[in-house]
Amino acid sequence: GESVGLHLPTLSVQEGDNSIINCAYSNSASDYFIWYKQESGKGPQFIIDIRSNMDKRQGQRVTVLLNKTVKHLSLQIAATQPGDSAVYFCAENNNNAGNMLTFGGGTRLMVKP
Amino acid sequence: EAGVAQSPRYKIIEKRQSVAFWCNPISGHATLYWYQQILGQGPKLLIQFQNNGVVDDSQLPKDRFSAERLKGVDSTLKIQPAKLEDSAVYLCASSRDTGELFFGEGSRLTVL
Repeated sequence: GESVGLHLPTLSVQEGDNSIINCAYSNSASDYFIWYKQESGKGPQFIIDIRSNMDKRQGQRVTVLLNKTVKHLSLQIAATQPGDSAVYFCAENNNNAGNMLTFGGGTRLMVKP
Repeated sequence: EAGVAQSPRYKIIEKRQSVAFWCNPISGHATLYWYQQILGQGPKLLIQFQNNGVVDDSQLPKDRFSAERLKGVDSTLKIQPAKLEDSAVYLCASSRDTGELFFGEGSRLTVL
């Protein structure tokens, strides 16, 4: 079946550097994409989302880029902080399928002080 | 606003035993989801409710898993009998009809 996946399972960055986490998706019918952050022992927490009619969306320190041509999604975190250490998941949603999210496998971000 | 509440947080059982997890969604959220998250993987949807009706349960192993949301608010997820491969975190989430999903902290199940 179609699924969402990630290129890198682990990303290690220096505190203060920018982080880029990538995700590939294969369902061309997906029209809504979300990035979640999951800290150890907690449930996924919404970070930022983007709809398929956009190619970029910015939050406070995060930016999501969507390239529909190559079905690629990325999360950029500026000035990465130790508190950003977590596993990051991208998820896709096809609202025609009843608001069901399909999650990728996750990337662990480790921030070195 | 209170978040999604789940219990128990941790459960250890022997294989072939049964277990039940409880979820209380955010007030006013009509849609409730149960996800299974195996260690090192992303969450996988088991079942989605809209009020007290099932929207999708195509990935629920119905020979051993069951879920209900009788009054359209709280929900329970039951596993009977449990297998070793059911060891996972069971996440409950809720949302308004098509909005953001809010997740609980999960119930971690270990099957020995």
